[in-house]
Amino acid sequence: GESVGLHLPTLSVQEGDNSIINCAYSNSASDYFIWYKQESGKGPQFIIDIRSNMDKRQGQRVTVLLNKTVKHLSLQIAATQPGDSAVYFCAEIQANNAGNMLTFGGGTRLMVKP
Amino acid sequence: DAGVTQSPTHLIKTRGQQVTLRCSPISGHKSVSWYQQVLGQGPQFIFQYYEKEERGRGNFPDRFSARQFPNYSSELNVNALLLGDSALYLCASSFDVYQETQYFGPGTRLLVL
Repeated sequence: GESVGLHLPTLSVQEGDNSIINCAYSNSASDYFIWYKQESGKGPQFIIDIRSNMDKRQGQRVTVLLNKTVKHLSLQIAATQPGDSAVYFCAEIQANNAGNMLTFGGGTRLMVKP
Repeated sequence: DAGVTQSPTHLIKTRGQQVTLRCSPISGHKSVSWYQQVLGQGPQFIFQYYEKEERGRGNFPDRFSARQFPNYSSELNVNALLLGDSALYLCASSFDVYQETQYFGPGTRLLVL
């Protein structure tokens, strides 16, 4: 079935550098996307979301970009810090009358070197 | 404000046993969803409940069942446990089911021996 996937399973960056985590989705009907951060032994933590009628959304040190033409989503983290080390998941929602169940990709592990 | 809470945090069962996991949503949230996360993979959707009604079911066998109570808390039941049911079971809550962001609890780590 259609699902959300990621290009890179592991990303290693130097502290202070910018990080870019990518995600490809295949369901063109998806209209809402969320990035989650999951630290070891914890549940996924909401980072930022974007609706399909937007191309870019910025938060504190994070930016999400959505390219609907190529069905690509990215998460940019500015000035990456050791506390950013975690697994990052993108997830999609296809709006329907039933519910807002999430479809997750496999995740990218971000490792920040001091 | 308290976030999503789940109990127990860890659980060890043997094959064939039954297990009940519990979840309390964020105050004011009326929808609860359950996900299974196998080590090294993304969470997989199991169930969603809204206003005590089932709104969605993922590709899981009938051994998995759930319900939502009038106070919007929820239970996930798994019967006839298999080794492959070992996973982190996550509960997420949202205000409703119309494109609202879901917020996750810490999960229940289930080990089936």
